[in-house]
Order: sequence, then structure tokens, then C-alpha cells
Amino acid sequence: EAQVTQNPRYLITVTGKKLTVTCSQNMNHEYMSWYRQDPGLGLRQIYYSMNVEVTDKGDVPEGYKVSRKEKRNFPLILESPSPNQTSLYFCASSLRALSYNEQFFGPGTRLTVL
Amino acid sequence: GQSLEQPSEVTAVEGAIVQINCTYQTSGFYGLSWYQQHDGGAPTFLSYNALDGLEETGRFSSFLSRSDSYGYLLLQELQMKDSASYFCAVRPPSFSSGSARQLTFGSGTQLTVLP
Repeated sequence: EAQVTQNPRYLITVTGKKLTVTCSQNMNHEYMSWYRQDPGLGLRQIYYSMNVEVTDKGDVPEGYKVSRKEKRNFPLILESPSPNQTSLYFCASSLRALSYNEQFFGPGTRLTVL
Repeated sequence: GQSLEQPSEVTAVEGAIVQINCTYQTSGFYGLSWYQQHDGGAPTFLSYNALDGLEETGRFSSFLSRSDSYGYLLLQELQMKDSASYFCAVRPPSFSSGSARQLTFGSGTQLTVLP
């Protein structure tokens, strides 16, 4: 089944404890992206990747890191999480780097930072 | 940059037609997408307008007018399962570089379908 997977789906952690949220897609998509969703603010892009080893900042990159060493994986790293990073996170992908108007989203990761 | 406005809530009854508007102010524009999201689940792609006019996909249609900086999503024969949030998103021009190569989403419209 073609899909985008994220792990974990739910995570409660404490301030300052490094964490990684994994994202993987099995559709051979070039473009991958991370979003956070907060009430009333819609989806805001954190980072995106046009292809392997090509990443760029979105609208809200502060406090996050990403890497794209393989085409299928695009992990999101929070080196020192803070309570304002409590949010619902989505990973997404699209077939071509220039067709990102149509993105396939993962199921989401609900993160709580205490 | 890009700025999009959508109504925060819309309510309609089963079987009716509803229109969700999206107005935008952008420094450049390439196309308008629509996504549906049920109760914090994964957003799913509905449609994309690269050109002015109406695009129809079953009960859903999407419209774009570049001259008016305006688009809408039209849902016909509403069903209870259409209750969800709907997001418009703009794509910048293809000549954009750096952080502009991304979708910018509106804050979403919560559609409630009543029996």
C-alpha cells in the first residue's frame, strides 16, 4: 500500500530531551516536507526537501533539524524540545519536486513537551 | 509573501450546496490547492487549479479567478461525512527560489453538515 508513515504517533516528553520523529514514504517521491498544526493557525511548514541531500527552511524552522540521506526517509529532529513545540506534526510527500501542490500526508504525530 | 483568508466556520444541511471561499494576497502566484482534513487526521488532497475557471471532480468543484485573487471550493449534495476542515493553499511562481518553493496554507474552514 502506498503510504507515508510516521513514528511515533503520540509522544509525551520533557523539556530539553532530544527526540526524533521518523517519516518514511514508499512511493519513490522526490519532495518531502514537515508541517506543524496548531489550533487556529492551520498548517505551517517547518522544513522541506526537494530531493536527497537537498533541504530548506519553511516558515517556522527554529528549534528543528532535518536530514535527507535517503529518498524514502525524512526525519524531524528536536535537539532541545520546549513547551512551545507542543503540536500536531505532519510529514508529507509529493511525486516530483515541482508537483508539491499535491501532497500526501502521513497520519500525524501528536507531541507534548512538558 | 503569501496571505490567505478563509471563513473559520460554515454550516449547511445534508443534501445542500456549500461554497467555501479563499482570498489571497501574494507576491506571486502559481496555483491554488484544496485539502480536506477530518478531526485532526491526515489532510487529503482534493483539487488543484493552475488556470482560471472551474475544475470538477465528482461532487466537489474548485474555482479560481486570478484577476480577483479569489478561489472557492464548491461541495454539492452534502453528506454527513463531508463534515471536516477544508484548507486552501497557494503555490508560488515556478521561478521562486529558496523558502518560497512551498505551499502556504490558509487557517482552514470547519464545515459542519447537519442532518
